[in-house]
Amino acid sequence: DTAVSQTPKYLVTQMGNDKSIKCEQNLGHDTMYWYKQDSKKFLKIMFSYNNKELIINETVPNRFSPKSPDKAHLNLHINSLELGDSAVYFCASSLEAPGGPLHFGNGTRLTVT
Amino acid sequence: QKEVEQNSGPLSVPEGAIASLNCTYSDRVSQSFFWYRQYSGKSPELIMSIYSNGDKEDGRFTAQLNKASQYVSLLIRDSQPSDSATYLCAVRTNSGYALNFGKGTSLLVTP
Repeated sequence: DTAVSQTPKYLVTQMGNDKSIKCEQNLGHDTMYWYKQDSKKFLKIMFSYNNKELIINETVPNRFSPKSPDKAHLNLHINSLELGDSAVYFCASSLEAPGGPLHFGNGTRLTVT
Repeated sequence: QKEVEQNSGPLSVPEGAIASLNCTYSDRVSQSFFWYRQYSGKSPELIMSIYSNGDKEDGRFTAQLNKASQYVSLLIRDSQPSDSATYLCAVRTNSGYALNFGKGTSLLVTP
């Protein structure tokens, strides 16, 4: 059974479009995250939710909007996609801080053309 | 965002040797430290976590933490070609609700 699953695995779209990435975890964790990994492989935190409440919102354009319908799901909606949004987006989860490590999903490779 | 620094490498070691990966961090109050391994095209997977000063061993892996020097390292004994990957150092943030990652060290183990 997949612990943290995200869909789709690949997403190719044109500039200006709106797209969503979905994430679900079955680990019973309280905290979920979105990370962006750029072409230089640097993993950067975007958002963190704890029990459906937004905890961290790093300097991310407001075209990115996370939504957490319940503590097992954290989706990411991106409006008006730009070329610079091309990256791999990872969802992750952890026990409520100061808990243990993050468990990552398999990533979504977003390519904006 | 507080910084986590790693040498990007590549670090090349022969099969059977010890690989030593280093990481420094800037936030003195950090309490939790992690090493992740990431193969190309895959997601990061946890190798080790360490919370107290000293050494922690798990199989061929040893994590070392020195909070006074703000330094954490990972030793891989008897390196295997399958250990070739990027190793990411991660430090829990002040808020406790995220990890800050270094840019990773690329390790190449040659047969």
